Amino acid sequence: EAEVAQSPRYKITEKSQAVAFWCDPISGHATLYWYRQILGQGPELLVQFQDESVVDDSQLPKDRFSAERLKGVDSTLKIQPAELGDSAMYLCASSSTGGWAETQYFGPGTRLLVL
Amino acid sequence: GQSLEQPSEVTAVEGAIVQINCTYQTSGFYGLSWYQQHDGGAPTFLSYNALDGLEETGRFSSFLSRSDSYGYLLLQELQMKDSASYFCAPRADDRGSTLGRLYFGRGTQLTVWP
Repeated sequence: EAEVAQSPRYKITEKSQAVAFWCDPISGHATLYWYRQILGQGPELLVQFQDESVVDDSQLPKDRFSAERLKGVDSTLKIQPAELGDSAMYLCASSSTGGWAETQYFGPGTRLLVL
Repeated sequence: GQSLEQPSEVTAVEGAIVQINCTYQTSGFYGLSWYQQHDGGAPTFLSYNALDGLEETGRFSSFLSRSDSYGYLLLQELQMKDSASYFCAPRADDRGSTLGRLYFGRGTQLTVWP
């Protein structure tokens, strides 16, 4: 069964450093999502791609976060510089076309700890 | 804006039935999804209701009333492995696009005791 792949699974960094997370969606899925999940809360959408285009980045802190999906397949989320409050699980999800009835499939996530 | 309410915690014993309620306020509402998340794991899809009524999938059922902005997840014949967080997630779009997005609340922590 196809799965969403993410790496690394865990990342520890010091504040002010740069970090990057990688996501490979299910093959053929046009829509890719990055979520942030703080401990004890639900996932919060950071950015949504349709193919290589950003559809929604209204919740992305653009002063320090950036995301790209250059060829419309895999994607990278970057934080520079990292802050203590960025400690969270970063989840990637994908769906076939992003239609309103479609299921989103989540990857295992990258757990980030900022010291 | 968007708002969601569901209980923070529910406990039950094996074999019991549990209902997790969800009330929401959204604009551009499409439907209501439910996701399960075990500690340290990724959310996994359980069900999606676009229309009013009950959807049944094995031991789990989900209900939606669009007029009441209310839904619930019903878990029957509870097993220890059902201990997890359960999120209701309205699919909505308040910007007029055709894609929509999921809105997650804080979720309900279900603990199943032997």
